[in-house]
Amino acid sequence: AQSVTQLGSHVSVSEGALVLLRCNYSSSVPPYLFWYVQYPNQGLQLLLKYTSAATLVKGINGFEAEFKKSETSFHLTKPSAHMSDAAEYFCAVTQNSGYSTLTFGKGTMLLVSP
Amino acid sequence: DVKVTQSSRYLVKRTGEKVFLECVQDMDHENMFWYRQDPGLGLRLIYFSYDVKMKEKGDIPEGYSVSREKKERFSLILESASTNQTSMYLCASGDSTEAFFGQGTRLTVV
Repeated sequence: AQSVTQLGSHVSVSEGALVLLRCNYSSSVPPYLFWYVQYPNQGLQLLLKYTSAATLVKGINGFEAEFKKSETSFHLTKPSAHMSDAAEYFCAVTQNSGYSTLTFGKGTMLLVSP
Repeated sequence: DVKVTQSSRYLVKRTGEKVFLECVQDMDHENMFWYRQDPGLGLRLIYFSYDVKMKEKGDIPEGYSVSREKKERFSLILESASTNQTSMYLCASGDSTEAFFGQGTRLTVV
């Protein structure tokens, strides 16, 4: 069984401030982990993924995430927020062996103020 | 450029109607998925398919069925639409390391 918990349904930051979106997972087997972004009335776009290579993963638009096995976490960060980063962000987990489906967290809405 | 195409962006249907949501992918993926997205609940898996004519129930299959006659096409069927099926529906295709999503279909059942 696998699950994802995203802490905070809404996160507000000022433009230029650090972005930190939290994700904790549970998985009975080694996981693959993902962050997706969704802009209003759009589908999901992959930001970055961890697939058991480097634990610090860099993605698009300046985002990165670090896989910490001891903390079962995969938090998403960006050093300096832009207005265009305002969107909903989803963390997801799947198993890294064989076929498996993605399990998503409930999402975190990022609000960026000028 | 990878592409998952959902046939409609917006749909309005009446209670009791049979509704078909179509999804086509051009990446030759074996795996395809239908998710439902509701505010505060995230994405929930309805059905998935790992091969032509194969289907597996996800977490919330009640009231839905699916069809996969060809590798590139995966259809979600609402046998008798109800108001509680008003939602955003997202189709995806992928492998074990990534899933690609369509733009979504916002279905309203009145």
